[in-house]
Amino acid sequence: AQTVTQSQPEMSVQEAETVTLSCTYDTSESDYYLFWYKQPPSRQMILVIRQEAYKQQNATENRFSVNFQKAAKSFSLKISDSQLGDAAMYFCAYMKFQGAQKLVFGQGTRLTINP
Amino acid sequence: EAGVTQSPTHLIKTRGQQATLRCSPISGHTSVYWYQQALGLGLQFLLWYDEGEERNRGNFPPRFSGRQFPNYSSELNVNALELEDSALYLCASSFGDGNSPLHFGNGTRLTVT
Repeated sequence: AQTVTQSQPEMSVQEAETVTLSCTYDTSESDYYLFWYKQPPSRQMILVIRQEAYKQQNATENRFSVNFQKAAKSFSLKISDSQLGDAAMYFCAYMKFQGAQKLVFGQGTRLTINP
Repeated sequence: EAGVTQSPTHLIKTRGQQATLRCSPISGHTSVYWYQQALGLGLQFLLWYDEGEERNRGNFPPRFSGRQFPNYSSELNVNALELEDSALYLCASSFGDGNSPLHFGNGTRLTVT
């Protein structure tokens, strides 16, 4: 069974600084997707970024980028120029390629932005 | 474009009762997913519906059931409520192609007393 581990229950960063959230996963599949979702106090899970495992290039969305290390099964999220609105729970998630559309989530990292 | 909408926002029930939660997907999405987010347990996959059929089910007892209507909206029913069913229930939708990302609603907070 696939598992996703986020080893940092909480992180904090100064506004405008850069922070990296860690995620590791375990799978025997070669094709899959990895995601970072953000859950602010409004409770809605918001898709931040998505990475296809067959792509070597790391995904980037504005201030958000990932460091995808397939061999190490590591998928970290870097947030540059942190803003107060980035404060939220961040969840790393795995989905098997063409399979069941079932997301496997990590336990989450609570990110606090200090003004 | 309207996002995924869920109702009600909050629901309070007594142990043994039944709860019905509703979800409307993003226009054009045919797949609807239900997840349970309980304290200390993280997000757990419950159910996946596509084109009116149940396609996949998580490790939950049969008293968790649902359906998808012809307009692709969905209901989640929880029978014989137990205290541990108290959680945030999140609905998500996507295109039914097996690879599209999921878009989530704001959830229904179910409290069982």
